[in-house]
Amino acid sequence: KAGVTQTPRYLIKTRGQQVTLSCSPISGHRSVSWYQQTPGQGLQFLFEYFSETQRNKGNFPGRFSGRQFSNSRSEMNVSTLELGDSALYLCASSSDWAGELFFGEGSRLTVL
Amino acid sequence: GESVGLHLPTLSVQEGDNSIINCAYSNSASDYFIWYKQESGKGPQFIIDIRSNMDKRQGQRVTVLLNKTVKHLSLQIAATQPGDSAVYFCAENKSGGYNKLIFGAGTRLAVHP
Repeated sequence: KAGVTQTPRYLIKTRGQQVTLSCSPISGHRSVSWYQQTPGQGLQFLFEYFSETQRNKGNFPGRFSGRQFSNSRSEMNVSTLELGDSALYLCASSSDWAGELFFGEGSRLTVL
Repeated sequence: GESVGLHLPTLSVQEGDNSIINCAYSNSASDYFIWYKQESGKGPQFIIDIRSNMDKRQGQRVTVLLNKTVKHLSLQIAATQPGDSAVYFCAENKSGGYNKLIFGAGTRLAVHP
């Protein structure tokens, strides 16, 4: 069974640009969560989608958004990038809530 | 590989010794706790979990202990191996919290031959 796949793995953007990251969950998983990981703040929850609905959201500004498609694939978007958005963005999938989360290897975003 | 955390506390152990990694969780309403292992350049990997109605759970070479009185969680790794070298995170959740995990800061485990 294929794991969680995130694309792209690495990307470099400049301030003010926007970025879209993609996540394909494990087949059959309907929950997709996104986390931001930085050396200073650690792992922080961004949002979670289940069956195309956002059912939980972390404390991030509105520049961070996401969506989930009918095939459970998810995307997250960050608009008007800031230097502080440089981070590893991790996607995790689960078959249901509060169950074992399976993480992808992340998308490393660098904002210059 | 990428650096997960530049200033994480580090636990150094000799190969074959037992390791104990500690974590203080923040929310007394949390009722589900998980330990994750993250190797350089990879995403976190599930190790073991425990619910608040238990105080101990064992897996293969790992044991998690939960002390709800002092909001403390620990991960014990028996016969630590070089492949156990990684950053370890505890995470907490509460019923109704869906998959919104709150992660601890992490501990780096360095295993020396």
